[in-house]
Amino acid sequence: GAVVSQHPSRVICKSGTSVKIECRSLDFQATTMFWYRQFPKKSLMLMATSNEGSKATYEQGVEKDKFLINHASLTLSTLTVTSAHPEDSSFYICSAVAGVRTDTQYFGPGTRLTVL
Amino acid sequence: AQSVTQPDIHITVSEGASLELRCNYSYGATPYLFWYVQSPGQGLQLLLKYFSGDTLVQGIKGFEAEFKRSQSSFNLRKPSVHWSDAAEYFCAVGNQGGKLIFGQGTELSVKP
Repeated sequence: GAVVSQHPSRVICKSGTSVKIECRSLDFQATTMFWYRQFPKKSLMLMATSNEGSKATYEQGVEKDKFLINHASLTLSTLTVTSAHPEDSSFYICSAVAGVRTDTQYFGPGTRLTVL
Repeated sequence: AQSVTQPDIHITVSEGASLELRCNYSYGATPYLFWYVQSPGQGLQLLLKYFSGDTLVQGIKGFEAEFKRSQSSFNLRKPSVHWSDAAEYFCAVGNQGGKLIFGQGTELSVKP
């Protein structure tokens, strides 16, 4: 149980285009999802907290207009990287929290984004 | 400021040998502490967590960790490492709101 999927697993796009990454909780409802960014050989950096039916809360320094987050249902959150540039190339990971207990996050396998 | 430090970027141990991965944290309140493992192509998997109570926590795959408040540490241990344990290990600190702060990670290699 508690499986989180991400789609796509990897994507290559041209500079200036937008890319959407989906995060789904497959066997549970997730009122809260988190989006992280991981650089090579580096830690995970929390980008934003996504709550179903409300606006995402972004961490300091994260551009909300560049990284659009939508949590339209209890099983789906999307991250759209708008007008992508090479510096946005990274590994993006989502996690989901089951129900009201926010102490344990279940992580997706990640999406590798490469912007040419 | 809240932070997590994993002093060892890369550790190599022989299969069957014991393992200890270090984690130190800085947190204003009583922390929730976690250890995750990340394997290529797979999401982070929770090994164990500490919220309160017994300071020695047992996890999956034979791992355990000990919370030492006086040393602000939460080191991960395993008595006998298997080749399949080779992966990246992350220590994290969090709160009831769910936000996690991760350490830099320790890459574990296992020699046959």
